[in-house]
Amino acid sequence: DIQMTQSPSSLSASVGDRVTITCRASQGISNSLAWYQQKPGKAPKLLLYAASRLESGVPSRFSGSGSGTDYTLTISSLQPEDFATYYCQQYYSTPPWTFGQGTKVEIK
Amino acid sequence: QVTLKESGPALVKPTQTLTLTCTFSGFSLSTSGMRASWIRQPPGKALEWLARIDWDDDKFYSTSLKTRLTISKDTSKNQVVLTMTNMDPVDTATYYCARMTISGYFDYWGQGTLVTVSS
Repeated sequence: DIQMTQSPSSLSASVGDRVTITCRASQGISNSLAWYQQKPGKAPKLLLYAASRLESGVPSRFSGSGSGTDYTLTISSLQPEDFATYYCQQYYSTPPWTFGQGTKVEIK
Repeated sequence: QVTLKESGPALVKPTQTLTLTCTFSGFSLSTSGMRASWIRQPPGKALEWLARIDWDDDKFYSTSLKTRLTISKDTSKNQVVLTMTNMDPVDTATYYCARMTISGYFDYWGQGTLVTVSS
C-alpha cells in the first residue's frame, strides 16, 4: 500500500497569508493526487485533482504542484473561509485508495 | 446535480452487523464508468477508504477489513449498500459514501452518518 504523509499536521496563519501544505507518497504516484478541504461536521470537498487541476468552482487562490513522490497545496492568500483541514489522496496504485493524515489550518 | 445521502443506525452494539445505505441521484450506477465508494472517518482522525463498487458490479475492499465488508448496489433504486460484520467500538466513525471518478478520486460526497459502537 502507498502511504501518504502530510506536513505539517497543523499550522496557524493569518488572513492574507500564503500557506503551503506538503504531501509525500511512499513511492512515486505520477501526479495521481487529489486534495480535499474538510470543515468541521462536513464532508470533504474536492479542491484539485491530477496534482494541479482545479475542480470547477474552486477559487483560483488554491493551486497544486509536484511530481514523483512530493506534492504541495498552496493557498495564495488565506481567506476566513479557508480555515479547515486539508487531505491529500493518491489514486495511482490501488486498491487501496489512501489519504494523508490531514493538515489543520487554524487562525493565528 | 449529483447528490448522495447515507442512512443507517446511529448506534450499534459490539458484535452486531452494520448495514448502511447510500441513496444517490444525478448519476446512474448502470452507466459505464460509474463507481461508488464507502469511506469512514473516526472522530478527530483521518479518512479511510473501505470499499468500491462499479457499474459492472466489480467490487474492491480494504485489505484489512475485507473479511467483514460487503458492498452491493440496487441500480433500480439508485442505492449502494455496505454491510460490516462483527462491529467493535474502534469502528465508531462517520461513514461517507462518495462517487468515484474513472481516474480514482472522489468528486461528490454524501453528508456522512455517524455510527457509534457501544453496548
